[in-house]
Amino acid sequence: DIQMTQSPSAMSASVGDRVTITCRASQGISNYLAWFQQKPGKVPKRLIYTASSLQSGVPSRFSGSGSGTEFTLTISSLQPEDFATYYCLQLYSYPLTFGGGTKVEIK
Amino acid sequence: EVQLVESGGGLVQPGGSLRLSCAASGFTFSSSWMTWVRQAPGKGLEWVANIKEHGSEKYYVDSVKGRFTISRDNAKNSLYLQMNSLRVEDTAVYYCVRYRGMDVWGQGTTVTVSS
Repeated sequence: DIQMTQSPSAMSASVGDRVTITCRASQGISNYLAWFQQKPGKVPKRLIYTASSLQSGVPSRFSGSGSGTEFTLTISSLQPEDFATYYCLQLYSYPLTFGGGTKVEIK
Repeated sequence: EVQLVESGGGLVQPGGSLRLSCAASGFTFSSSWMTWVRQAPGKGLEWVANIKEHGSEKYYVDSVKGRFTISRDNAKNSLYLQMNSLRVEDTAVYYCVRYRGMDVWGQGTTVTVSS
C-alpha cells in the first residue's frame, strides 16, 4: 500500500501569510494526486487535481506542484475563509490513500 | 446540476447490517466510476470502495473486504453499499463520490455502530 505522509499535521498562520503543505508518497505516484479542503461539519471540496490543475471556481491563490513522491499545496496569501483542514489523496493505485490532514488555524 | 444524495444511515448494533444508497443526477451515471469514502468522528478521510461503470470491477480497503459490498443500478442512477458484520470502528459519515478525480461529493450519511 502507498502511504501518504502529510506535514505539518497542524499549523497556525495569519491572514496574508504564504502557507505550504507537503505530502510525501511512500513510492512514486506520478501526478496522480489531489488536494481537498474541509471545513468543520462540511463536505470535502476538491481544490487541485493531477497534482497541479486548479479546480474550476477555486481561487488562484491556491496552487499545487510536484510529481513522483513529493507534492506541495501552496496558499499564496491566506484568507479568513481558508482556515480549514487540508488533505492529499493518491489515486495511483489501490487502496487509494489519503494523507492524515493538515489543520490550518488562525494565529 | 451535478448532485449526489446519500441515504440509509442510522444506528445499528455490532454485528448488524445496513445498506446505504446514493442517488445521482445531473451527469451520465452509467459512464462514471463511483466511490465510497468515510470519515470517523474527529478523524481523517478514508477511501472505502470503488466500482467501475458497469460493475465489472470493484475494489475495497482491506478493513471492509468480505463484509461490505459496493454495487450499482445504472437504470436507477443509484450506487449502494451493503454493510454486513458491522463493527464499532465502522462508525463514520459515509460519502458517495464521483470517482473522476473525486470531484463531486454527496452530503454524507451517518452510520453509528453501537450497542
